[in-house]
Amino acid sequence: KAGVTQTPRYLIKTRGQQVTLSCSPISGHRSVSWYQQTPGQGLQFLFEYFSETQRNKGNFPGRFSGRQFSNSRSEMNVSTLELGDSALYLCASSLDGLPSNEQFFGPGTRLTVL
Amino acid sequence: ILNVEQSPQSLHVQEGDSTNFTCSFPSSNFYALHWYRWETAKSPEALFVMTLNGDEKKKGRISATLNTKEGYSYLYIKGSQPEDSATYLCANMDTGRRALTFGSGTRLQVQP
Repeated sequence: KAGVTQTPRYLIKTRGQQVTLSCSPISGHRSVSWYQQTPGQGLQFLFEYFSETQRNKGNFPGRFSGRQFSNSRSEMNVSTLELGDSALYLCASSLDGLPSNEQFFGPGTRLTVL
Repeated sequence: ILNVEQSPQSLHVQEGDSTNFTCSFPSSNFYALHWYRWETAKSPEALFVMTLNGDEKKKGRISATLNTKEGYSYLYIKGSQPEDSATYLCANMDTGRRALTFGSGTRLQVQP
């Protein structure tokens, strides 16, 4: 079974631009969660999608948005990039997002904002 | 405890040593506690998911216990090996939101 894939793996953008990151979950998994990892803050939850619906959202500004497609693939978008958005963005998939189900993480997208 | 806290922040041990880490989390509205291992340049990998008070889980030389009433979990590694070197993260999920709240992790380095 193929694991969680994320594209691109690395990205360099400038302040003010926008960016779209993609995540393909494990086949059969319907829940996709997104996390931001920075040295100072650790892993912070962004949002979770299940069956094309956002079920939960973390404490991030509206510049961060996402969506999920019918094949469970998910994208997250960050508009008007700021220097502080430089981070590793991880997505994780699980069967249905139940607390008792482990999450499977992708390799991440390293975003650098200049 | 309002957040998930892990201790120690880092640990250096010799090959063959046994070690343990602590994860503290809010005991109210508990739903599940996850442990992940995150090796450098790799993705976080799930070790255990525990939901019941008194749960004990084991995978090879690694085991974990859970106390939901007092809000803590211990992760034990018996006979540490260099390949155990990684950051160990715990995360809890409460009944209020369907999201994992991660601790800052314990960075383990095992010297050969």
